Amino acid sequence: KQEVTQIPAALSVPEGENLVLNCSFTDSAIYNLQWFRQDPGKGLTSLLLIQSSQREQTSGRLNASLDKSSGRSTLYIAASQPGDSATYLCAVRRRDTGGFKTIFGAGTRLFVKA
Amino acid sequence: EAEVAQSPRYKITEKSQAVAFWCDPISGHATLYWYRQILGQGPELLVQFQDESVVDDSQLPKDRFSAERLKGVDSTLKIQPAELGDSAMYLCASSSIGPGQFYEQYFGPGTRLTVT
Repeated sequence: KQEVTQIPAALSVPEGENLVLNCSFTDSAIYNLQWFRQDPGKGLTSLLLIQSSQREQTSGRLNASLDKSSGRSTLYIAASQPGDSATYLCAVRRRDTGGFKTIFGAGTRLFVKA
Repeated sequence: EAEVAQSPRYKITEKSQAVAFWCDPISGHATLYWYRQILGQGPELLVQFQDESVVDDSQLPKDRFSAERLKGVDSTLKIQPAELGDSAMYLCASSSIGPGQFYEQYFGPGTRLTVT
């Protein structure tokens, strides 16, 4: 059974700092992995999607890496800003009978201090 | 930019009452998902549709929850009767398997349910 763990559960950093959020999964037979951002009381916004054959994806100040063999993904945020404060969730997708199954981690709550 | 629509945004109901949520996915997205998210946790899949067919409802409490997507477009999730433990955010998402899509999921704003 696939389990997804995100560490740390919460993180507080000063503005301008570079930071890394971690996501680990127990079953390496994944189809892809997707990182999301969630603001309090809101839905999820897709940030980056990495296919199982890819090693990393970049969008602006964000860089996501994937190491399937070790069951890990990291989300790197460069030059953090107060507007980056949110919960960051990773979701692992794998093939299952009838289609694909998505398992989410519990998220990392990020607070960037001005 | 196309978005997933959900209504209502907030719902307060008394336990034992019936409640329904509506979702309209991004046009052309064949796959539709309903998730439940308890505060401080990640979303948990309740039901997944491929067009009008259910492909995964293994985590749906079928004694009180039902979901339908009759024409393969919009969808309704119903709870009857609601219980206190159903208080959560209910999220709808959609995805496409078209070229370059790879089941990337797009989420709606969610419905915050409070059962009193």
